Amino acid sequence: GQQVMQIPQYQHVQEGEDFTTYCNSSTTLSNIQWYKQRPGGHPVFLIQLVKSGEVKKQKRLTFQFGEAKKNSSLHITATQTTDVGTYFCARPYYGGSQGNLIFGKGTKLSVKP
Amino acid sequence: EADIYQTPRYLVIGTGKKITLECSQTMGHDKMYWYQQDPGMELHLIHYSYGVNSTEKGDLSSESTVSRIRTEHFPLTLESARPSHTSQYLCASSAGPPTVYGYTFGSGTRLTVV
Repeated sequence: GQQVMQIPQYQHVQEGEDFTTYCNSSTTLSNIQWYKQRPGGHPVFLIQLVKSGEVKKQKRLTFQFGEAKKNSSLHITATQTTDVGTYFCARPYYGGSQGNLIFGKGTKLSVKP
Repeated sequence: EADIYQTPRYLVIGTGKKITLECSQTMGHDKMYWYQQDPGMELHLIHYSYGVNSTEKGDLSSESTVSRIRTEHFPLTLESARPSHTSQYLCASSAGPPTVYGYTFGSGTRLTVV
């Protein structure tokens, strides 16, 4: 199907440790987006990756798009308590509702101070 | 700061009541969406609109209905609320195809039906 698999579902880290979440698709994607949702909040767009092998950085966050454009990762270096939340990847929906997005189930990150 | 507003923020209502969740955006976006999300879970698309007088059902079957009479306004209505409708409802808009522009989400309405 068109779902994306996100792993892990949960991750508990000590503040200062690194964190990585992965997003995997069975089909080649034209692009992928990442969102962050703080506890009790709403998803906020972080970034979009389009090119094969693309790597983008936002301060301590590093986003990668695989060479085959079937997987993506988000890596956080030296986590802080402000990183707590659920990270979702989202892929394009190919079909009748073109242009819409399908979200993964998310990776919930907790950071122990 | 997102210019998309949802009201109410929280709503507790009895079974059988009719409710309307409001969503407005001031960005002039044609594309608007409603997602349903149980706490900490994935987002499910329930309705979307590509412009005035355009509405479509999403991937998750929903008993709710929507209307799009004005570009800035995309309300969602439940004719008869049931406990199974308890969830968070997120409204979003996009400047163009979401696959290009991404979504801007509102703060959501947390609905509890008792």
